[in-house]
Amino acid sequence: DQQVKQNSPSLSVQEGRISILNCDYTNSMFDYFLWYKKYPAEGPTFLISISSIKDKNEDGRFTVFLNKSAKHLSLHIVPSQPGDSAVYFCAAKAAGNKLTFGGGTRVLVKP
Amino acid sequence: NAGVTQTPKFQVLKTGQSMTLQCAQDMNHEYMSWYRQDPGMGLRLIHYSVGAGITDQGEVPNGYNVSRSTTEDFPLRLLSAAPSQTSVYFCASSYSSSGYETQYFGPGTRLLVL
Repeated sequence: DQQVKQNSPSLSVQEGRISILNCDYTNSMFDYFLWYKKYPAEGPTFLISISSIKDKNEDGRFTVFLNKSAKHLSLHIVPSQPGDSAVYFCAAKAAGNKLTFGGGTRVLVKP
Repeated sequence: NAGVTQTPKFQVLKTGQSMTLQCAQDMNHEYMSWYRQDPGMGLRLIHYSVGAGITDQGEVPNGYNVSRSTTEDFPLRLLSAAPSQTSVYFCASSYSSSGYETQYFGPGTRLLVL
C-alpha cells in the first residue's frame, strides 16, 4: 500500500506555461515533504521542500503547496522551461528520518 | 570533486548469481543509503548506514547485504540474484540522516536479472 502517490505518471506542457504536479499521501504522521528532480541516467537531485507547519514554500520558479487537511501537496513550476523536462518525485518523512517516495511524474516541456 | 560514484553502470546477471554493487563518496559524509527504483514505485530504501561499522535495514532489505568498513564506501551485495531484483539502484550520501536537502545521489546502476 503506497503511502505517497503521484497519480499522474506524465505531464506535457508548453514552454512558458505553468506545470502543476500533484502528490497525495495517507500517513498523517508525515511532517516534512520534498520534491526531487531526476534526469535520465542521473540520480535524483533535491528541488524544494516544505515543513508540515507551513502551507507554501517558494524558490524562484518553483512553489510547493501543502494542504494538510486534504493530505495533498503540489509543485508549481512557473514559467516552465525545456530544461525542466525530467521525472519529479515527491517524498515524505515521518519519525525516524526515512523518506517515502511517490512513483514519479514525467514532465515534458515542449518548446 | 567526484561526489557519489557507482559501479558498474549496467549489469546483466543470471538467476542465482551473486554480485556487489559499488558505491563511494568523497565528501566525508556519515550517512549513506541504497535505494531501488522500479516503474511506478518511486525509490524504496534497501539499507542505510549512519557511519562506519553501523548499518540498518530499510523498507525492502530482503536479498541484500551491506557493510560499511570505511566512511567512503558502502557496497551492496546480492548473494543470489532473482528476477525480482531487476531494478535501478541508487546510492546516496549526506552529512546526517536528516540532511535531505544535501543528500547526493549517484548516477545509478541498472541491473537486469534473467
